[in-house]
Amino acid sequence: GDSVTQMEGPVTLSEEAFLTINCTYTATGYPSLFWYVQYPGEGLQLLLKATKADDKGSNKGFEATYRKETTSFHLEKGSVQVSDSAVYFCALRVSSNTGKLIFGQGTTLQVKP
Amino acid sequence: GAGVSQSPSNKVTEKGKDVELRCDPISGHTALYWYRQSLGQGLEFLIYFQGNSAPDKSGLPSDRFSAERTGGSVSTLTIQRTQQEDSAVYLCASSFPGSTGELFFGEGSRLTVL
Repeated sequence: GDSVTQMEGPVTLSEEAFLTINCTYTATGYPSLFWYVQYPGEGLQLLLKATKADDKGSNKGFEATYRKETTSFHLEKGSVQVSDSAVYFCALRVSSNTGKLIFGQGTTLQVKP
Repeated sequence: GAGVSQSPSNKVTEKGKDVELRCDPISGHTALYWYRQSLGQGLEFLIYFQGNSAPDKSGLPSDRFSAERTGGSVSTLTIQRTQQEDSAVYLCASSFPGSTGELFFGEGSRLTVL
């Protein structure tokens, strides 16, 4: 079945370090891909998305490129800040006929000053 | 309110009791979703309502779980005869018609079954 696999956390970085959180997926169709973020004490919110192969989603300095050949959608940021500390979820939507998203298990990021 | 509202925010119950969790979606959002977030397990899809269509119940883990959506707005998730493994945060989300995948989440209802 359709699924999303994320690298296990927690990931601990110093401020201004480079961030990569790996995400790979399995899907029968041509999914849309998403990164959601959950800041402490808040609900999940959309961070970025890509709807077709080779698309790059970007927001708040974060980027992810939809790689169909490697079925991946890795999240990157060049210089993390303490305020980026959160749980990050990769997700896919297989069909435009359903809004249902399938999420990965989440990766906790902690950024230390 | 402006966002998705869930109640109660915290619920502690005894094994075997029934619980009801409520979700009030954003006004005008036709799609409503329930997910479960367990420690270390990520988000598990439970059920999806879209307008007047039959709901997608494919994620409900057992027949102890049910959900309804009245009048195309408020939804209630009911768990009968709760078990300790039902302890989790239950998240509700909604989206507007034609959404390309942006779900708006509530802050969740944390259920603890003793």
